[in-house]
Amino acid sequence: LAKTTQPISMDSYEGQEVNITCSHNNIATNDYITWYQQFPSQGPRFIIQGYKTKVTNEVASLFIPADRKSSTLSLPRVSLSDTAVYYCLVGDSMEYGNKLVFGAGTILRVKS
Amino acid sequence: DTAVSQTPKYLVTQMGNDKSIKCEQNLGHDTMYWYKQDSKKFLKIMFSYNNKELIINETVPNRFSPKSPDKAHLNLHINSLELGDSAVYFCASSQTGPGEQYFGPGTRLTVT
Repeated sequence: LAKTTQPISMDSYEGQEVNITCSHNNIATNDYITWYQQFPSQGPRFIIQGYKTKVTNEVASLFIPADRKSSTLSLPRVSLSDTAVYYCLVGDSMEYGNKLVFGAGTILRVKS
Repeated sequence: DTAVSQTPKYLVTQMGNDKSIKCEQNLGHDTMYWYKQDSKKFLKIMFSYNNKELIINETVPNRFSPKSPDKAHLNLHINSLELGDSAVYFCASSQTGPGEQYFGPGTRLTVT
């Protein structure tokens, strides 16, 4: 499975846009890129998933360049409640389930 | 309605004991997982079941035995508990293939 590299932590202020970049140089053809969010004492929560180009949902946008060796999670206008750990994962679509490999994640701290 | 539920939420026990953690999902998913998050916050997959069949079995001691009585349940039984088993255990579920996994609230196991 492709290994991912993310910044250990980031600080931001309320109302700002936050971009978290993830490197995955060894991504395979069948791999999808998925981002999860985890609050303290809770299980991870799915944010967004993409294969190439750009994906947007009500929570975030995911930008994937043509070579797919990196991806950027964009959180528009963050609030204090967005303070959490954000995980970038890369994995293939196994026929019987998706084996998620979590890295260390990025601790995002949003300040007022 | 809780999508993925785990019981108990907290479990404190002594070394050498045998304990079980139960997981249930009401999402109609056909794949369920167990993850372990240690004190350093790394989240690692332990097992995955698809339609009651074991499909992922990571390098986990034989003391850990998952059991899936039906598609909606995946229980984790741990024999002869050790100090190093102390962690938060998360159950998750998903449909087959890529896409989001839904995580339960976690069970914090403390072995003394």
